[in-house]
Amino acid sequence: GEDVEQSLFLSVREGDSSVINCTYTDSSSTYLYWYKQEPGAGLQLLTYIFSNMDMKQDQRLTVLLNKKDKHLSLRIADTQTGDSAIYFCAESLPGSTFGDGTTLTVKP
Amino acid sequence: DGGITQSPKYLFRKEGQNVTLSCEQNLNHDAMYWYRQDPGQGLRLIYYSQIVNDFQKGDIAEGYSVSREKKESFPLTVTSAQKNPTAFYLCASSRAPGETQYFGPGTRLLVL
Repeated sequence: GEDVEQSLFLSVREGDSSVINCTYTDSSSTYLYWYKQEPGAGLQLLTYIFSNMDMKQDQRLTVLLNKKDKHLSLRIADTQTGDSAIYFCAESLPGSTFGDGTTLTVKP
Repeated sequence: DGGITQSPKYLFRKEGQNVTLSCEQNLNHDAMYWYRQDPGQGLRLIYYSQIVNDFQKGDIAEGYSVSREKKESFPLTVTSAQKNPTAFYLCASSRAPGETQYFGPGTRLLVL
């Protein structure tokens, strides 16, 4: 999506941390989301952050939101091979605007 | 079990044929959405519906049509006017417009 941008690829070693970045343009979104898509499957909601928060932690996942720079990031601690997938960030407009996705590859 | 179902998983279309993709949810959600995903790309919004008997065009509505006669159902018809229909189609629903969307497993449409 042209209003949400993500880097296309990220490769990490198993056990390392992964950081996936996203920039967005619409500051009116109430929520910002991270979704995970495994090959041939639908999107699975991973986590979301309310627009008035700076950080949200959920087990191995940490979401950071910088509203001034319109920058959202997802950090996955202790990345596992099962984390290999495409990760999408999205704004919460009616219908939502999605980035093109970041393909995360985890090497053993 | 509550959730969103899409059928079929794979669908084949012949030239000039209309095909309909099914999307059903039993989550009592008001809003439903259809997205198209092409290889290596993100999701693009085709149509969305905020409430029964109402729907709006998304970014790429040309060649598609929808109906929302029941709260739980939002079928998508890919018409013969859609010249490049081969893609992965995803349906989603949310409790209300703008709230968290939950996705079905998708339908892959292929042209013969």
